[in-house]
Amino acid sequence: DSGVTQTPKHLITATGQRVTLRCSPRSGDLSVYWYQQSLDQGLQFLIHYYNGEERAKGNILERFSAQQFPDLHSELNLSSLELGDSALYFCASSVEVDGRGYGYTFGSGTRLTVV
Amino acid sequence: GENVEQHPSTLSVQEGDSAVIKCTYSDSASNYFPWYKQELGKGPQLIIDIRSNVGEKKDQRIAVTLNKTAKHFSLHITETQPEDSAVYFCAASKIGGSARQLTFGSGTQLTVLP
Repeated sequence: DSGVTQTPKHLITATGQRVTLRCSPRSGDLSVYWYQQSLDQGLQFLIHYYNGEERAKGNILERFSAQQFPDLHSELNLSSLELGDSALYFCASSVEVDGRGYGYTFGSGTRLTVV
Repeated sequence: GENVEQHPSTLSVQEGDSAVIKCTYSDSASNYFPWYKQELGKGPQLIIDIRSNVGEKKDQRIAVTLNKTAKHFSLHITETQPEDSAVYFCAASKIGGSARQLTFGSGTQLTVLP
C-alpha cells in the first residue's frame, strides 16, 4: 500500500456521461497530481494542486476539472465522456520541503472504460 | 515545455544479465530525474532518483547515471531477476518553483527471461 488511495478502482460508463474520480494523498503530503495513462500516450500530466490551490495545468481538456478540498483529498471530474477518454487515471502526492517538491508516490489508479 | 525521450521501448534480457535504459531531456533547467517501475495492474513506484548536482547514484543492483552536458540519463540494472520484469519510466522535472510536475518518457517494457 503506497498510502495514496484512489477510488473507484474500475469504472464503466457510457459516452456523454460524467464521472468523479477520488484521491486521498499520503498523510502529510500537500501536493496532488493527476495523470492520464493510455496505451499510445504514456503518462500525461493533467493538473497539480497544492494545499487547495491549483498550481499547474497540463494537457487537460476543458471537459475535465479538478479540485482539492480542505482535508487535502482531490477529485477529478470528467464530463461529456468520449470513447477516447478510456484510460487509467493516476493520482500522485508528493512531500514538500522548504517549497521544493520531490518524488511522487502514486496511487493504484482508476481504470475508466467508456462504452 | 520539457520533452523526455526514452529508448528502447522493449528490452528482453536473460536472467543474470544487465539491462540499460536510456533517456534524453530537452529542458536544461531540469534538475531532478526519477525512475519508476510499473507492474501490471499497479501504479508506478519510485525505484531511484538523481539530482543534477550528482553524476551517478547506486542502490544495490540499480544505478542511474546523468550527463548534464548531453542532457541524458540512464538506468542500469545488474544481475537481472524475473521479478525485475515490468515497465520502467524515466522522468524529469525542476525542483523548486511552481511548475514541479514530472514529464515522463514513453516507457520501456523489460522482460527478464529465466
